[in-house]
Amino acid sequence: DTEVTQTPKHLVMGMTNKKSLKCEQHMGHRAMYWYKQKAKKPPELMFVYSYEKLSINESVPSRFSPECPNSSLLNLHLHALQPEDSALYLCASSRFGTGSSYEQYFGPGTRLTVT
Amino acid sequence: SQQGEEDPQALSIQEGENATMNCSYKTSINNLQWYRQNSGRGLVHLILIRSNEREKHSGRLRVTLDTSKKSSSLLITASRAADTASYFCATSVQGAQKLVFGQGTRLTINP
Repeated sequence: DTEVTQTPKHLVMGMTNKKSLKCEQHMGHRAMYWYKQKAKKPPELMFVYSYEKLSINESVPSRFSPECPNSSLLNLHLHALQPEDSALYLCASSRFGTGSSYEQYFGPGTRLTVT
Repeated sequence: SQQGEEDPQALSIQEGENATMNCSYKTSINNLQWYRQNSGRGLVHLILIRSNEREKHSGRLRVTLDTSKKSSSLLITASRAADTASYFCATSVQGAQKLVFGQGTRLTINP
């Protein structure tokens, strides 16, 4: 199984809502990532988890809260978002903890719209 | 600014022609990777070239790396309509634990 799955595919939420994005992989990868991608732009790294511990937070606002319950699952909890947070949110995984030297496997993304 | 810069930003060619995209970067790298993204979907890893390698092939893809010029190129031979996508280079920077993506090249293959 070489697939990273993400749910939901689409999400529309108001600025006062609380929602969560979910990512799952069963490849035994030990690094997992959240990226944010705006239209016609490259992915921007948000968080890196290495061996289930948060290793990189790219100065992301606290209204985004990541969680790694186990080595296969990665969540992104969303609260009090702004319209400018509307984007494609991509999850990725890679084989080992540091991650950067290895190829990353991406999920299909969650298209988030904040109204 | 982004570590990787790509050119051209957009490229439109006829099916069957070759497509070449270039990537430049600024600091020393462990490796450079190329990814493809179909519209609005996740990225797919295409090829990884290490800093001590100069050229790598995978099917219709050929990647070169010139560390003295801090640049890489991706050549897609005998292009097909299905190659229409955005292509991103991504650098694994020495001392950092993350990939940094270039701005991308939007490739359109016309039938």
